[in-house]
Amino acid sequence: GENVEQHPSTLSVQEGDSAVIKCTYSDSASNYFPWYKQELGKRPQLIIDIRSNVGEKKDQRIAVTLNKTAKHFSLHITETQPEDSAVYFCAASTSGGSYIPTFGRGTSLIVHP
Amino acid sequence: DVKVTQSSRYLVKRTGEKVFLECVQDMDHENMFWYRQDPGLGLRLIYFSYDVKMKEKGDIPEGYSVSREKKERFSLILESASTNQTSMYLCTTLPGVGETQYFGPGTRLLVL
Repeated sequence: GENVEQHPSTLSVQEGDSAVIKCTYSDSASNYFPWYKQELGKRPQLIIDIRSNVGEKKDQRIAVTLNKTAKHFSLHITETQPEDSAVYFCAASTSGGSYIPTFGRGTSLIVHP
Repeated sequence: DVKVTQSSRYLVKRTGEKVFLECVQDMDHENMFWYRQDPGLGLRLIYFSYDVKMKEKGDIPEGYSVSREKKERFSLILESASTNQTSMYLCTTLPGVGETQYFGPGTRLLVL
């Protein structure tokens, strides 16, 4: 089955810095890669996703890049703000076969004012 | 707007009790999932269901069972609660393969 590794487990940055979280996956058939943000005491919510037919996607201060050859994808947050502090999860899934999404273990991002 | 609800936000039970956690969705999604979330371990899949009365084991099904009698409702059952089942339980739905999951608010269960 699919295996998703996520690094780092904890990331501490100063407000205004950039933050990068990386995930690798094992199943070359995976073609959908969402990122979820979970604020303290709240449910995870989708912040951005990418499909395997594109290499990069951007939404304001958030971007995701995908390298299918190397089987890794990354979340980039620029100009971080204290409200970006949360746990971020990556996931990978396929459109067929074993379609069950597999999650990374999560990254706790702390943005210091 | 998508809605996934869980029956309780916080629950305290005693060892050996039978515990029911309910999840209800109003989106007509075929697929529903139960995860538990523990610090450092991320989200681990307990059971999932792809249709009414259909269920499949996830990665950590031991000590749990599920029921899906109606499409909108997916229940997680702890037959005899143990302290190592103290955790946050998250229900999700999936509209289709290769799509985004929608999360319920979570149930924080404490087993004493």
